Amino acid sequence: QAGLTQPPSVSKGLRQTATLACTGNSNNVGNQGAAWLQQHQGHPPKLLSFRNDHRPSGISERFSASRSGNTASLTIAGLQPEDEADYYCSAWDSSLSVWVFGGGTKLTVL
Amino acid sequence: EVQLVESGGGLVQPGGSLRLSCSASGFTFSRYAMHWVRQAPGKGLEFVSSIGGNGEYTHYADSAKGRFTIYRDNSKDSLYLQMTSLRPEDTAMYHCVRDSGSFDCWGQGTQVTVSS
Repeated sequence: QAGLTQPPSVSKGLRQTATLACTGNSNNVGNQGAAWLQQHQGHPPKLLSFRNDHRPSGISERFSASRSGNTASLTIAGLQPEDEADYYCSAWDSSLSVWVFGGGTKLTVL
Repeated sequence: EVQLVESGGGLVQPGGSLRLSCSASGFTFSRYAMHWVRQAPGKGLEFVSSIGGNGEYTHYADSAKGRFTIYRDNSKDSLYLQMTSLRPEDTAMYHCVRDSGSFDCWGQGTQVTVSS
């Protein structure tokens, strides 16, 4: 099953802003939106946002998500060293009746 | 505190079977859909299967259809994944995940290795 498309890597400087993209189609991202997860090496993922822009309690306001058409975006403001991690997007695919994930973006904070 | 604890992983030969279990605590288990998501070594996340709060629906990735069965016992606050006809490509960490709008709470995972 085809997944969502994410760039493999993004590098930004400390205190800069990073925007990560996730492209799907009208059956997944364009339909019910995307969720974003953060995963540090050796740990399970952590949910950052869901349904495009809903942020779970306890997640920093530096993380914001949005969607335009079939592309979802995660913006991380004021990058900190602890933001260095892998970021995954996910969406429900109403045509395939499965959840699909992006391949992940490795964010490096310089 | 919400907790999900997986067990049942291990080393199995190709063609073998395993049953994974996930014990939930800290929330009303029956109110939530649950998922199994796996991650092969050095790879990304892959959806495996989902089940509704009362088992009213199940969904499977193509890679799991016909070989894996997801089920739950709400009286025991437990989720299961019965895996048969295992293949080397099923080698991964298997995570139990709660669905509260999305994949909002993850267990640490149980490692499944399929090798002769």
